[in-house]
Order: sequence, then structure tokens, then C-alpha cells
Amino acid sequence: GAGVSQTPSNKVTEKGKYVELRCDPISGHTALYWYRQSLGQGPEFLIYFQGTGAADDSGLPNDRFFAVRPEGSVSTLKIQRTERGDSAVYLCASSLQATNTGELFFGEGSRLTVL
Amino acid sequence: AQSVTQPDIHITVSEGASLELRCNYSYGATPYLFWYVQSPGQGLQLLLKYFSGDTLVQGIKGFEAEFKRSQSSFNLRKPSVHWSDAAEYFCAVGARGSGGYNKLIFGAGTRLAVHP
Repeated sequence: GAGVSQTPSNKVTEKGKYVELRCDPISGHTALYWYRQSLGQGPEFLIYFQGTGAADDSGLPNDRFFAVRPEGSVSTLKIQRTERGDSAVYLCASSLQATNTGELFFGEGSRLTVL
Repeated sequence: AQSVTQPDIHITVSEGASLELRCNYSYGATPYLFWYVQSPGQGLQLLLKYFSGDTLVQGIKGFEAEFKRSQSSFNLRKPSVHWSDAAEYFCAVGARGSGGYNKLIFGAGTRLAVHP
């Protein structure tokens, strides 16, 4: 597609449930990033993939959060045993390669609400 | 630790007026600096970036920003604001992560409202 695509755009779930958020990056982009944006805050880094491997997962808040990118394209962010504090907009971004340009192309985000 | 501060949470200007959004950063080396804009229903869009060289950088939509090392600032400016500029603006610094890339650290954002 023309841009970064994220699904679902909105997800409402109950505390304790499992959630998957999907990101389809721009075709040909090898680098993929997940960020989390809480209300009134700027995006906060979660994890970065170069190809299929997670090059930096230092931003994942705890072991309930996990992300995969098995074929080096689509990525899925997985959240187990969701908590109300997980409510946020989860942003995905991609870039052509992990260079110093820092030019990331962002999707519109998946808004997660945990009741 | 790297950080970005945007002192103004919310700014309101009249259409046609000039605009300056403030950004201060904390980083141990020469920073890579960015301004992104986030409009409702749209993803973050890069306005401009500074890596090196001329400290006054031009971006899209008539925006510019000036890097001032002595003040650790990278303020965003526009001489004449249009109603369509109403959005949230984020300043970011590119920091080295364990993967050897530019992990972006964002400020909390400044929400711009434009009065007709």
C-alpha cells in the first residue's frame, strides 16, 4: 500500500484479555518500529525490527508485551493479560533502512481501550 | 539521559499571525532533531529535520526551525499561520539505541489552535 497500515483502528477489550495489533509497513521498508502514545503524551518507543529480528526491545514495558515480524514485513504487537494502564494509541512506523535519517513514516495508530 | 521538553502544552494564534513553538532537548552529543505534526485522523508527518550544517532548516508547509546549540533549542516557526495548521506538533531527538539506529525520543507535544 501507499502508507503504513494498522489494524484494527480501534479495539475495546476487557481487563485480562489478550490483544493483537497488526502493522503492515510500506513495501520495501526493512525497519519497523512500534511506539505507544498515551493521552496527552508524545509517542514512546517500544521496539524496533530490522528485517525479522528485534534489534532493540528496550522500550517494552514488561513481559506481557511481545512483538513479532516473522517474514520481515507485517508485524504483530501482542499484549497478554491486558490492564487498564495499557490503554493508549499504539503507533507503527517504518523506514527504508536503519540509517541515520530518522525519517520514519507513521501509521494512523490502533487505539486500545481496556475496560 | 536524552529528553525533549516542549514547554507549551497549548497555543492559540489568529490566522495570519506568526508562530513559534518551543523545543528544548537534552543530549550528550550533536543531536539529530526533528519536528513532526499530527493532525486528527492522520499519522505523524515529518515537517523538517536537522542533522548538521546550516542551523536554519526549511521544511514542508512553510515551516522552518533553528538549531541553537548554546540554548539546546530547536524552535519551530512559521511567518503566517493558516487555519489548516491546527494540529499537534512534536519535537523529537534521534538517539542511539542498542540497534545502532536513530530511536526517536519525543516531547509531550504542543497543541496548536488557530482562530479565524
